[in-house]
Amino acid sequence: GAVVSQHPSRVICKSGTSVKIECRSLDFQATTMFWYRQFPKQSLMLMATSNEGSKATYEQGVEKDKFLINHASLTLSTLTVTSAHPEDSSFYICSASRDPSYNEQFFGPGTRLTVL
Amino acid sequence: KQEVTQIPAALSVPEGENLVLNCSFTDSAIYNLQWFRQDPGKGLTSLLLIQSSQREQTSGRLNASLDKSSGRSTLYIAASQPGDSATYLCAVSSYNTDKLIFGTGTRLQVFP
Repeated sequence: GAVVSQHPSRVICKSGTSVKIECRSLDFQATTMFWYRQFPKQSLMLMATSNEGSKATYEQGVEKDKFLINHASLTLSTLTVTSAHPEDSSFYICSASRDPSYNEQFFGPGTRLTVL
Repeated sequence: KQEVTQIPAALSVPEGENLVLNCSFTDSAIYNLQWFRQDPGKGLTSLLLIQSSQREQTSGRLNASLDKSSGRSTLYIAASQPGDSATYLCAVSSYNTDKLIFGTGTRLQVFP
């Protein structure tokens, strides 16, 4: 149990385009979903926290108009990178929490974004 | 502000050795601590989760200990195998937030 999927696993796009990444909890309802960004050989940095039906909470320094997060249901959250630029190229990982009292996150396999 | 550090940053050992990976955190008021494994280009696999009230957790050849008062956790890997080669990350969460703060990671290579 507690499987989280991401789609796509890899995407290459031109500068200026928008890219949408989906994160799904396959066998549980996620009360909260998280989006992280990871640069090569670095650790994960939290970008934002989202709860179903409410606006996402962004970490300091993360542009909410550039990284749009929609948590439409208890099993789906999407991250849209708008007007992507080469500096947005990174590994994006989502996670989902099913029990806030236990505070354990289950991670997706990640999405490699390359902006040309 | 919570900061999590892992030592060593990289480790290369021959197969069969017992290993200790270290994680330290600056704010001892944590809710839990997790150890993860990350293979190159992949997501995270949860290895062990230790609640703040616990001292250790074990799973197979892995044992994680937690000393909250000193802000330290160790991950012990017994009889290491080449398949253990990966980056190991520790992460802590606090009582007043469900955010995870990740450490800098230890890149482990176990050679035959």
